[in-house]
Amino acid sequence: LAKTTQPISMDSYEGQEVNITCSHNNIATNDYITWYQQFPSQGPRFIIQGYKTKVTNEVASLFIPADRKSSTLSLPRVSLSDTAVYYCLVGDMQFRNNDMRFGAGTRLTVKP
Amino acid sequence: ETGVTQTPRHLVMGMTNKKSLKCEQHLGHNAMYWYKQSAKKPLELMFVYNFKEQTENNSVPSRFSPECPNSSHLFLHLHTLQPEDSALYLCASSQDTASGRAGETQYFGPGTRLLVL
Repeated sequence: LAKTTQPISMDSYEGQEVNITCSHNNIATNDYITWYQQFPSQGPRFIIQGYKTKVTNEVASLFIPADRKSSTLSLPRVSLSDTAVYYCLVGDMQFRNNDMRFGAGTRLTVKP
Repeated sequence: ETGVTQTPRHLVMGMTNKKSLKCEQHLGHNAMYWYKQSAKKPLELMFVYNFKEQTENNSVPSRFSPECPNSSHLFLHLHTLQPEDSALYLCASSQDTASGRAGETQYFGPGTRLLVL
């Protein structure tokens, strides 16, 4: 089971770029890296997923170094509405082996 | 709107009551999940269903009883709950859990906020 480690909290200001790094030293060959966002009293929402190098979508970018032992979620020019908890998950998404678990996440607070 | 709906959104019940939470997904997925999220705690996976068959039960107390009549609907039957069961209960779905394809993502419903008095 690939364990992930993220900062518990981060603060930022509107318009800044925010980078949240997740450590996953024992990531397995078949594991993908997935990030979710959760607002208070709502279910988590998929943001981005990657396996290696860089992935970019309309919301964020995900940087994964060659050894895949960490990953960085990058949110460009954050706004107040980006205040949320961000979760990093690592696994092959096949729950039959108790593979995927949400950790504590990183609570991002964006200030005006 | 994620394509996963949950009812009710809020529920208050006494410890002797019996109630049920309902989840419905409109995404054509084959796997459905129940999670519990207590205040300031990580999401806890409770049950997993794949093609209507329960594939995981994470040592959940028997006062929580899941039911999956078809791939689109998932219920969580509650009876004789305790105050510590008060939490946000989230339902999620994914394509399936055993497709052999890595990288399946989950789609979550809005949750049911449960308060046990």
